[in-house]
Amino acid sequence: DTEVTQTPKHLVMGMTNKKSLKCEQHMGHRAMYWYKQKAKKPPELMFVYSYEKLSINESVPSRFSPECPNSSLLNLHLHALQPEDSALYLCASSQVGRTEAFFGQGTRLTVV
Amino acid sequence: AQRVTQPEKLLSVFKGAPVELKCNYSYSGSPELFWYVQYSRQRLQLLLRHISRESIKGFTADLNKGETSFHLKKPFAQEEDSAMYYCALSGEETSGSRLTFGEGTQLTVNP
Repeated sequence: DTEVTQTPKHLVMGMTNKKSLKCEQHMGHRAMYWYKQKAKKPPELMFVYSYEKLSINESVPSRFSPECPNSSLLNLHLHALQPEDSALYLCASSQVGRTEAFFGQGTRLTVV
Repeated sequence: AQRVTQPEKLLSVFKGAPVELKCNYSYSGSPELFWYVQYSRQRLQLLLRHISRESIKGFTADLNKGETSFHLKKPFAQEEDSAMYYCALSGEETSGSRLTFGEGTQLTVNP
């Protein structure tokens, strides 16, 4: 299995809702990532997990809360989001170190 | 700080013509450079990385440290090459592949 799977594919949430995005990989990768991609823009790194520990937080607001329950799963918990947080959220995984990252299809999030 | 610049947002060529997508970078250490491609309605995927020096789908890219460039080239473009191409840089982190992407170049290959 060489895929990164993200659920759900689409999500619409209100500004007072709490929701979670999920990401799964079974390639044995020990580094996992969350990226945010706005329309017609490149992906921007949000968080990096290395060996299930948060190693990089790119000054992301606390309304985004990542979690890595085990080496195959990565979650992104969302709470009190703003309309400007609407974007495509990409999960990726890789071996630890500077190597190829495998991306999921993304979750298209709309905050209303 | 690390930065990647792709000067062309849009590039249009005819089938069979050569194509070159430009990428320049700024990084004080020893970077790892990648080209990622996103075909319509598909996920972002790796096309090339400089360290492997491979040719994938007829594309090649050479790292020029003097000019801080990593341009992507193909001698004869095909219609199926139409896609968004991102140049990306990974710095000397050890925790993971922390990628900084350029703005991307949308390549259209016309019949």
